[in-house]
Order: sequence, then C-alpha cells, then structure tokens
Amino acid sequence: GENVEQHPSTLSVQEGDSAVIKCTYSDSASNYFPWYKQELGKGPQLIIDIRSNVGEKKDQRIAVTLNKTAKHFSLHITETQPEDSAVYFCAGYQAGTALIFGKGTTLSVSS
Amino acid sequence: DAGITQSPRHKVTETGTPVTLRCHQTENHRYMYWYRQDPGHGLRLIHYSYGVKDTDKGEVSDGYSVSRSKTEDFLLTLESATSSQTSVYFCATRLAGENNEQFFGPGTRLTVL
Repeated sequence: GENVEQHPSTLSVQEGDSAVIKCTYSDSASNYFPWYKQELGKGPQLIIDIRSNVGEKKDQRIAVTLNKTAKHFSLHITETQPEDSAVYFCAGYQAGTALIFGKGTTLSVSS
Repeated sequence: DAGITQSPRHKVTETGTPVTLRCHQTENHRYMYWYRQDPGHGLRLIHYSYGVKDTDKGEVSDGYSVSRSKTEDFLLTLESATSSQTSVYFCATRLAGENNEQFFGPGTRLTVL
C-alpha cells in the first residue's frame, strides 16, 4: 500500500518569508496528491491538489510541484502571513481506497 | 464542508464500554471514511465504505467496526473501548469518479478513561 512521508514536522518562519514542505510517496500508481490545511479544533480542508499528469500548479500564494520520477511533491507558500499558521498535511491517493496522509507539518508564522 | 456532521462532538467514556460515533452527510457522496488523528501520527485510516453495505478495512482497523445501511450515514463502533482509542475521529466523504477530493467533518474528540 501507499506510504507517505512528510518533512519537516515543524516549521517556523517570519511573516513575508516563504515556506516549503516536502513529501515522498511509495506507490508509483498513485495519481492524485492533495494538500490539506487544518486549523485548531477543525477538520482538514483542501487547499490545493495536483494530479500525476501535471508538474506544477499555482493558486495565488500557494504552489505545489510534483516529481513523479523521484516520487516526491512539495508545497510552497510565498509571502507568508500569520493566518497561514496551521497544520498542513500532504496525502497520496491509494487507488480504489482512500487518501493516505503524511504525519503533518505545524507551520508557525510570526509577525 | 460538504454538509458533513459528526455526533457526538465530544465524549468521555470508560474502558470496556461500547461506543458508537455517527457521521451524516447530505451530499449523496458514494465514499465515506473514518480516520483517527493522534499527535505524531497524523491522520490514519480506520475503515472506509464504497457504497451502502460495502465496507473495507484501513491501516488501523483493529478494535473498530463500521456499518453503512444508508448512503448518508456511516457508523463507527468501538465494541469495547480501550485507553489507546482515545483520539480525535474524523469522518470524510468523496464523490465517485475522477474527483478525488475528500471532504472532512468537524471531528469527534473521544476520551477513554
């Protein structure tokens, strides 16, 4: 089955800096890679996703890159703001079953 | 949030008692999932359903059972709760087909004393 590893587990940045979170996956058949943001006391919410036929996707300050050969994908947040502080999860989609998540990254943005 | 509700939102119970958590959705999504979230472990899949009365195990299914008698409801049962099952439980749903986005409910915090 799919195994997803995520690094770092914690990340602290100054407001305005960029933040990068990296994930690797094991199942070469995985074809969908979402990123979720979880605020305190709430369920995870999708912020961006990428499919295996695309190498990069952007949405305003957020971008995701995918390297299928190396089986890794990354989340890039530019011009970070205090409201970006949250726990971020990457995931790989195990075909026919469910999303398998990384262990999460706690991002802290200080002003 | 795809119209997902979970009940109860908080529960404290004692070791050895049965517990049932309910997930209800209003979006007619075919797939439903139960995850547990623990510090240092992220979100781990317990069980999932791909249709009414069709369920399968995830990576941490021991000690849990599920049932889905209607499209909108997915129940998670702890037959005899243990302290290791203290966790936050999240339900998620997904449409059928190529849309893989999973929508999550607000979670249930369960404490087993």
